[in-house]
Amino acid sequence: QKEVEQDPGPLSVPEGAIVSLNCTYSNSAFQYFMWYRQYSRKGPELLMYTYSSGNKEDGRFTAQVDKSSKYISLFIRDSQPSDSATYLCAMSALGGGSEKLVFGKGTKLTVNP
Amino acid sequence: NAGVTQTPKFQVLKTGQSMTLQCAQDMNHNSMYWYRQDPGMGLRLIYYSASEGTTDKGEVPNGYNVSRLNKREFSLRLESAAPSQTSVYFCASSEARASETQYFGPGTRLLVL
Repeated sequence: QKEVEQDPGPLSVPEGAIVSLNCTYSNSAFQYFMWYRQYSRKGPELLMYTYSSGNKEDGRFTAQVDKSSKYISLFIRDSQPSDSATYLCAMSALGGGSEKLVFGKGTKLTVNP
Repeated sequence: NAGVTQTPKFQVLKTGQSMTLQCAQDMNHNSMYWYRQDPGMGLRLIYYSASEGTTDKGEVPNGYNVSRLNKREFSLRLESAAPSQTSVYFCASSEARASETQYFGPGTRLLVL
């Protein structure tokens, strides 16, 4: 079993739709959870950051972490064509040498006008 | 602040040729990383440097060498390029703590013929 599983999509939605992106993981030591957005032919950029369980909201974006289920989600409300990108989940654990991030493979999202 | 910069942006090599990918960051980060990104494979860690003077292998180190020249610069060298090394290479940096996110450069697209 991979440490982090992410449905690669692709996912195509109409403008204004609510988008749900998800990752599951197997390592219960993960404490820090991130979502990166990567536009075509660009480097990944941090979108959301969550520590441990709970929700975090930033504008149209909400990140959820359910550590009991080892499941994280990113919700995009009122999706826009500018949200079209690949979204990568990433996570890390406490402990020596644990500054390494483990990434999902990414979900490609297209928002159609 | 430029953040993380990478040179070159694009390179074509013939099998067996060597080259060095350069990376520099101006955020005074301790840790630096080299990833490759391939379709369907996500981001895979090649090498990382937790601090100046140290380097460690990641998930896919074969065929690569690295040098942490100083705190700012971390280079990736391909001694004898192979077609399997055709990929997009990303450099990233972060503080040396699991709680800290990574910041990515714009990437180098490498084609090995």
